[in-house]
Amino acid sequence: TAGITQAPTSQILAAGRSMTLRCTQDMRHNAMYWYRQDLGLGLRLIHYSNTAGTTGKGEVPDGYSVSRANTDDFPLTLASAVPSQTSVYFCASSDSRKPYNEQFFGPGTRLTVL
Amino acid sequence: AQKITQTQPGMFVQEKEAVTLDCTYDTSDPSYGLFWYKQPSSGEMIFLIYQGSYDQQNATEGRYSLNFQKARKSANLVISASQLGDSAMYFCAMRPNTGGFKTIFGAGTRLFVKA
Repeated sequence: TAGITQAPTSQILAAGRSMTLRCTQDMRHNAMYWYRQDLGLGLRLIHYSNTAGTTGKGEVPDGYSVSRANTDDFPLTLASAVPSQTSVYFCASSDSRKPYNEQFFGPGTRLTVL
Repeated sequence: AQKITQTQPGMFVQEKEAVTLDCTYDTSDPSYGLFWYKQPSSGEMIFLIYQGSYDQQNATEGRYSLNFQKARKSANLVISASQLGDSAMYFCAMRPNTGGFKTIFGAGTRLFVKA
């Protein structure tokens, strides 16, 4: 079982360009999340989705959009990248039917915006 | 507003000793869950332990235990008998049980285990 896959592993992007970070899970989890990790700030929630067809804003949603057309995929789009979006991006999923509803994380995408 | 505070950017512990990583939280929700995750240098995030706000007993999971003091809004992680492989970043997180599954993380504590 792959769990959660993210693509690409890393990317260098010119400022002003758009980019979609891909996230796919094969655990049939209902909830999915996108975080960015920056040194000294921990993980900050960008967007989340409780179930397919619904999304919600996290702590730092500006400049990012998401969609949840099906259970497995949760892409994150940067419409016009800026250098402050340089970060490591983690996708996660969880199953709210489980007692703890703990999150399972992908390996991350390292994005550099120049 | 929800907030998680981890006041120890870095901690050192001698191998085989116990160590406590501090976490305080702020929420107005009466029902919530508290989590600890480990991030080794390889980068993956690993779930360690969970405590529910209404749980009467402190959670334990092998060498990990959670010192939950609800009135103080603290959820400290205790690692007993530290091992070299425990060297990692540790994140405390909270998820209110209302308003969806939004989970807030602290800034993390980097633990160094000395041989």
